[in-house]
Amino acid sequence: DAGVIQSPRHEVTEMGQEVTLRCKPISGHDYLFWYRQTMMRGLELLIYFNNNVPIDDSGMPEDRFSAKMPNASFSTLKIQPSEPRDSAVYFCASSSQETQETQYFGPGTRLLVL
Amino acid sequence: SQKIEQNSEALNIQEGKTATLTCNYTNYSPAYLQWYRQDPGRGPVFLLLIRENEKEKRKERLKVTFDTTLKQSLFHITASQPADSATYLCAPANAGNNRKLIWGLGTSLAVNP
Repeated sequence: DAGVIQSPRHEVTEMGQEVTLRCKPISGHDYLFWYRQTMMRGLELLIYFNNNVPIDDSGMPEDRFSAKMPNASFSTLKIQPSEPRDSAVYFCASSSQETQETQYFGPGTRLLVL
Repeated sequence: SQKIEQNSEALNIQEGKTATLTCNYTNYSPAYLQWYRQDPGRGPVFLLLIRENEKEKRKERLKVTFDTTLKQSLFHITASQPADSATYLCAPANAGNNRKLIWGLGTSLAVNP
C-alpha cells in the first residue's frame, strides 16, 4: 500500500492568499484526521471525519480554516485568507475499524506564509 | 484543562543502555494511550498501544507501562541503538471520544555510539 499521500509537500505563499492542502487516505480506511504541528504547540487535531462525515471540528482555529471530504479517497484542508501564524507542518492521518485506534500519518505539508 | 507532559529535556544515552521516557497526564482518564515515533521531516509512526486495564505491554525491545493511579505512562527502550534516536510522542485518548488523541510535545532521544 502507498500509505497516506499528501500534496503539496512544501508550500510557500504570501499572507492573504488561499492555500489548499490535499490528502489521500489509505484505501479502506474510514477515519481521516487533519493535524497541525508547531514547535510551541506540538501536534494539534484540527478535524476528523468518519465515513466522509466531519465528527469533531473543535480544533479548527477559526473560520479561515475549512475541510472537506467529498469521497472516501480524498480530503482537502483550505485556509483562506492565510496568515503568517498559520505557518506549520500539516499532517493527514487515517485509520480504520481493523486498525482500531492506530493512526497512519502522511509525510506532511510544510506551509510557510510570508 | 486536559494536559499531557513529557520530558521536556532531550534525553542522551549511551548505546546499549535502557532509555526511559515519561508521559504524565492530568484532568482526564483515557481509555488507552499510544506511543509514536517521529523522525525529522516525517510523520509520526505508531509503536505501541496500551489500554487502561493493562499494566504493561511489550514489543521486541520496547516496553510500555500504564499507571492509572499515578496518571503516568513509561516507555522503555532496552539495548538502545543509535537508530532509536528520534522524538517519541505520547498520545492518550480523549475520554468519551476515543478517536481523538491528545498529544504531548514529545521527548527527543539521542543514542550515542
